[in-house]
Amino acid sequence: GEDVEQSLFLSVREGDSSVINCTYTDSSSTYLYWYKQEPGAGLQLLTYIFSNMDMKQDQRLTVLLNKKDKHLSLRIADTQTGDSAIYFCAEGGSTLGRLYFGRGTQLTVWP
Amino acid sequence: DAGVTQSPTHLIKTRGQQVTLRCSPKSGHDTVSWYQQALGQGPQFIFQYYEEEERQRGNFPDRFSGHQFPNYSSELNVNALLLGDSALYLCASSPGDTDTQYFGPGTRLTVL
Repeated sequence: GEDVEQSLFLSVREGDSSVINCTYTDSSSTYLYWYKQEPGAGLQLLTYIFSNMDMKQDQRLTVLLNKKDKHLSLRIADTQTGDSAIYFCAEGGSTLGRLYFGRGTQLTVWP
Repeated sequence: DAGVTQSPTHLIKTRGQQVTLRCSPKSGHDTVSWYQQALGQGPQFIFQYYEEEERQRGNFPDRFSGHQFPNYSSELNVNALLLGDSALYLCASSPGDTDTQYFGPGTRLTVL
């Protein structure tokens, strides 16, 4: 099966940039996703990148994809306390319909 | 534009019972997927429904079954509940030609 790995915890100070990293194993993945989950809530789609792209920017979010190393990162600029949540990396497209998720990275933002 | 909705929000059952969870997809979406998220884990794919048929299934036993209705809403049924079935059950919808999935708030199932 496909494996998606993420570091479990990240702490940053308010106003700093956060970088959350993810590695995946399936080279045939078509899309890679970042979801955000706040306590007691479902998953919110933050952004996604097509596998033939290197970078995608969307306001404070920048996604970088290194397809050769199967490495994906999410950078959040000017991190705010409201960004504190669990962030999930997911890959899709290799098997139509299903997404494979990592365990999530708990981001804590200190004021 | 309503997003994905799920009911109920919380549910408490005892071992051996059966449960039905419900999901309404985002407007314009015809595909519904179900995921199980255990505490501290990422979501695990259960199955996906498209055109009222199960299109794909993850590694879950036959105790987990589902249904999709003509209006694209869906149900997840779990029979003979085990303690290990306690989890957040997430429904996601998507247009049929893309993997980009939008999730509902989930149903928290507790099995005692």
